[in-house]
Amino acid sequence: DAGVIQSPRHEVTEMGQEVTLRCKPISGHDYLFWYRQTMMRGLELLIYFNNNVPIDDSGMPEDRFSAKMPNASFSTLKIQPSEPRDSAVYFCASSPRGPGQGRPEAFFGQGTRLTVV
Amino acid sequence: AQKITQTQPGMFVQEKEAVTLDCTYDTSDQSYGLFWYKQPSSGEMIFLIYQGSYDEQNATEGRYSLNFQKARKSANLVISASQLGDSAMYFCAGSQAGNTPLVFGKGTRLSVIA
Repeated sequence: DAGVIQSPRHEVTEMGQEVTLRCKPISGHDYLFWYRQTMMRGLELLIYFNNNVPIDDSGMPEDRFSAKMPNASFSTLKIQPSEPRDSAVYFCASSPRGPGQGRPEAFFGQGTRLTVV
Repeated sequence: AQKITQTQPGMFVQEKEAVTLDCTYDTSDQSYGLFWYKQPSSGEMIFLIYQGSYDEQNATEGRYSLNFQKARKSANLVISASQLGDSAMYFCAGSQAGNTPLVFGKGTRLSVIA
């Protein structure tokens, strides 16, 4: 398997523009997570899905952020409108196992480095 | 929710020496998991090792071992025979009662010196 695939790897956009980040999880993984990494706040969970259903979106910072998982092989994280403080690395991760099913490590994509100017 | 604390912002180690990276956790759950990830300068997150709260033996994966002390709520990572390629950020993470999302510590930057 190719692993978790994120696109684009780098995104530079102007303040106020819409940004869409994309993620393809590992086939067969039932859990998908979106994390954001900044120097100040470290790695923060934004939202996660189980079987395409959003389970916890309490980490989504504002209404400007939204995430969807229309099917088991694709998820998007959208920021509209974007602001300079959204600049960060956004990671998507997937995990194959649920409760009681063994070691539940998350497999991470390469991340998308977002710069909002 | 679980809380993960890494108190060492940066560490230096001589090549071929062993190094311990500290991690403490705080949870009221009986069932939980602890993880270590490596993030090299290229940015990807690489899974290293996992310890379940009910595992009786400390986890080992090659040169990595996890010193799990349940009473002290610590899960320190030990890297033996350090290599220059071990220079990276190291993150401790925890999950609670099954496949809950990982909560990460702030990380420790390890620099291996030749």
